[in-house]
Amino acid sequence: RKEVEQDPGPFNVPEGATVAFNCTYSNSASQSFFWYRQDCRKEPKLLMSVYSSGNEDGRFTAQLNRASQYISLLIRDSKLSDSATYLCVVNPFLHSGYALNFGKGTSLLVTP
Amino acid sequence: DADVTQTPRNRITKTGKRIMLECSQTKGHDRMYWYRQDPGLGLRLIYYSFDVKDINKGEISDGYSVSRQAQAKFSLSLESAIPNQTALYFCATSGMGPDTQYFGPGTRLTVL
Repeated sequence: RKEVEQDPGPFNVPEGATVAFNCTYSNSASQSFFWYRQDCRKEPKLLMSVYSSGNEDGRFTAQLNRASQYISLLIRDSKLSDSATYLCVVNPFLHSGYALNFGKGTSLLVTP
Repeated sequence: DADVTQTPRNRITKTGKRIMLECSQTKGHDRMYWYRQDPGLGLRLIYYSFDVKDINKGEISDGYSVSRQAQAKFSLSLESAIPNQTALYFCATSGMGPDTQYFGPGTRLTVL
């Protein structure tokens, strides 16, 4: 079983829509969590870290549910420029040092 | 200037050839990583290094070797390239602790 699971999508949404992605992880001892954004054929870039209390950065909100071992990303008022693949990333910490576990990504396409 | 650079950015080679991919960073990080990305498989860790004298195998190290020449340089070698090593290769760095990782722009390798 893959340690980090994501719905691959694609999610096709109109501009201005709200879209949510979920991710589940298998290692309950995981210590830190991130969402990365990856544009086509480009490197992954950190979008935001995810904290237990939930955190918001502009139109983006990330939530962590440790009991259910899932992470979510909410994008409000979608822009065309939000089209990308969003990677859920988990740091298992105790079991593999500081090597991150990456989900396969969820593809988002925002249309006019 | 980019904090993490990779050379070459694109490479086409033939089966059986030896290939070296190079990574340099100016972030001052001790930890460096090599990943490959294939469509539908996501990012997979090949090797990682926590300092110049510490090299560790990742999930898919067979067919690859690495060299950590200095804190800022981490090279990946394919001793005898084969077609299923055709992929997008990323180098990444991170600081101490359960930190996130910062990626280079990637090397697109095609083995014919």
